[in-house]
Amino acid sequence: GQSLEQPSEVTAVEGAIVQINCTYQTSGFYGLSWYQQHDGGAPTFLSYNALDGLEETGRFSSFLSRSDSYGYLLLQELQMKDSASYFCAVRGGGSNYQLIWGAGTKLIIKP
Amino acid sequence: DVKVTQSSRYLVKRTGEKVFLECVQDMDHENMFWYRQDPGLGLRLIYFSYDVKMKEKGDIPEGYSVSREKKERFSLILESASTNQTSMYLCASSARVSEAFFGQGTRLTVV
Repeated sequence: GQSLEQPSEVTAVEGAIVQINCTYQTSGFYGLSWYQQHDGGAPTFLSYNALDGLEETGRFSSFLSRSDSYGYLLLQELQMKDSASYFCAVRGGGSNYQLIWGAGTKLIIKP
Repeated sequence: DVKVTQSSRYLVKRTGEKVFLECVQDMDHENMFWYRQDPGLGLRLIYFSYDVKMKEKGDIPEGYSVSREKKERFSLILESASTNQTSMYLCASSARVSEAFFGQGTRLTVV
């Protein structure tokens, strides 16, 4: 079957750096996306990696290693507003229109 | 700004009722999706549509149907609501599969 694994919860301190990992097992692979969802809110798109390496967007970076079927989201200079759930999603094999989603990582930030 | 609008934030329906969830997007996107989100399970795809009048089953289509008569509107129908369909329902649209835009969600409770 196809699956994505990410930790269910991560705790970090305000101002610190945190990394959220995602490993995937899919029948095909086109790219890895990351989404943020605040409690009661809609998921919002953060980043997409189709090729190996690091993509940086402000305080957030996303990394992909296709040979290891692994990626991570790196959040720097953590702020309280970064407390949210973070989902990885893979555009994989099968239908060209589907994303396969991880179960989400709840990021708890302490002052 | 891309806007995806779901008709209701909260709904309470009785078992056996026919339920309509409406979703409208304003970005002329080809692709539209219906997901349900349950704690610990992430997002699960119910149905998606890549063009007007076109639809494809996702991972959990049983008990649901959809309608896409116009490009901007994608409706999810629960033919006969059951208590196990109590969930958060999220509509999304996209031009690229990697980047989806979500509505605020409809929290449906079936009693």
